[in-house]
Amino acid sequence: AQSVTQLGSHVSVSEGALVLLRCNYSSSVPPYLFWYVQYPNQGLQLLLKYTTGATLVKGINGFEAEFKKSETSFHLTKPSAHMSDAAEYFCAVSDIGTGGFKTIFGAGTRLFVKA
Amino acid sequence: GAVVSQHPSWVICKSGTSVKIECRSLDFQATTMFWYRQFPKQSLMLMATSNEGSKATYEQGVEKDKFLINHASLTLSTLTVTSAHPEDSSFYICSAIQGDVAVSPLHFGNGTRLTVT
Repeated sequence: AQSVTQLGSHVSVSEGALVLLRCNYSSSVPPYLFWYVQYPNQGLQLLLKYTTGATLVKGINGFEAEFKKSETSFHLTKPSAHMSDAAEYFCAVSDIGTGGFKTIFGAGTRLFVKA
Repeated sequence: GAVVSQHPSWVICKSGTSVKIECRSLDFQATTMFWYRQFPKQSLMLMATSNEGSKATYEQGVEKDKFLINHASLTLSTLTVTSAHPEDSSFYICSAIQGDVAVSPLHFGNGTRLTVT
């Protein structure tokens, strides 16, 4: 089974600073990887996904992530943080389970943005 | 596009009663729908996978007789929490997928906060 590890349950950055949220996965097959964002009391919204092709994936709100097979990583970055980026971020991978494909989520990283 | 509507957004019920939560895909036909449970400041825990016209597949440890899932059409799935107890209080989120479940992203509803008193 595949799994996802998000390093750091909390990350705090200043407004305008670089955002880096770390995600590592374990997989014996080429993974399909996703980043989702969750605002308080809401469902999740897709930021970006990697399936095949270019390893640098650009998403919404200025976020991007790079798939590095050698490091089994899919870290999420944004050059300049904005106050509105404060939210919970989840890295996820598709996995084959007993019920077919399903999405496995990491534990999440809460991003705080300081003024 | 790809909007998922979940209703109600919050509900308070008394212990022993049942609560139904609806999940609708508004502008697409969802081949598969998923139900998650999220505890405060934790990740999503998959409860079950629901395919239209067939029985839901429940994850290990999830009581199928307590959490009844009905996927009546390609646009509607319902989760009924039967004989609710305070420990069932949680945030329940549905998601729907269109197409290949491996590569297609999940489209989430806004969740339902259930409080059982």
